[in-house]
Amino acid sequence: AQSVTQPDIHITVSEGASLELRCNYSYGATPYLFWYVQSPGQGLQLLLKYFSGDTLVQGIKGFEAEFKRSQSSFNLRKPSVHWSDAAEYFCAVGAGTGNQFYFGTGTSLTVIP
Amino acid sequence: DADVTQTPRNRITKTGKRIMLECSQTKGHDRMYWYRQDPGLGLRLIYYSFDVKDINKGEISDGYSVSRQAQAKFSLSLESAIPNQTALYFCATSAGGELFFGEGSRLTVL
Repeated sequence: AQSVTQPDIHITVSEGASLELRCNYSYGATPYLFWYVQSPGQGLQLLLKYFSGDTLVQGIKGFEAEFKRSQSSFNLRKPSVHWSDAAEYFCAVGAGTGNQFYFGTGTSLTVIP
Repeated sequence: DADVTQTPRNRITKTGKRIMLECSQTKGHDRMYWYRQDPGLGLRLIYYSFDVKDINKGEISDGYSVSRQAQAKFSLSLESAIPNQTALYFCATSAGGELFFGEGSRLTVL
């Protein structure tokens, strides 16, 4: 069965520090992979997506993610975090032709001055 | 205006009441979804529809029903609301393998 694991429930980083949020998935074929961000009281905004091709994908707000098939991972990174990045981050997998989508439980990011 | 619009955005109701959450979209997508978000649980799929005549249960459909009135409209109903249905509900559409979300409807059942 398809599943998505975000092992870190909560992460705290200092402003200006680098960030890596982990995501592991379980899926039998090559999945579509996504990272969404949810600011407090807001809906979900797509940060980036991977469908095929280059395994390092660039997204909005300076985020990037790398698809590693051998590790079934799609970790999100940012070299220098800003206070406005404090939010909830969700990794998701799109299965098949994109008919089904599975979400991780989210990682809450706190940014300290 | 948002491409995926949910109404109401916030609703407080009492146990046993019937509630309908409505979703409309202007993206022209055939596929529509209803998700529920709870703290620590992420988003869980309630129902999805691939066209007007195709409706499918998701992983947590018990206690919910849906209606696909038109390509652009997909409503979620709670026939008799209970407190553990208090949550943030999202409607979404998809095309090209990507999901597009509405802004969410926060439902509180007292």
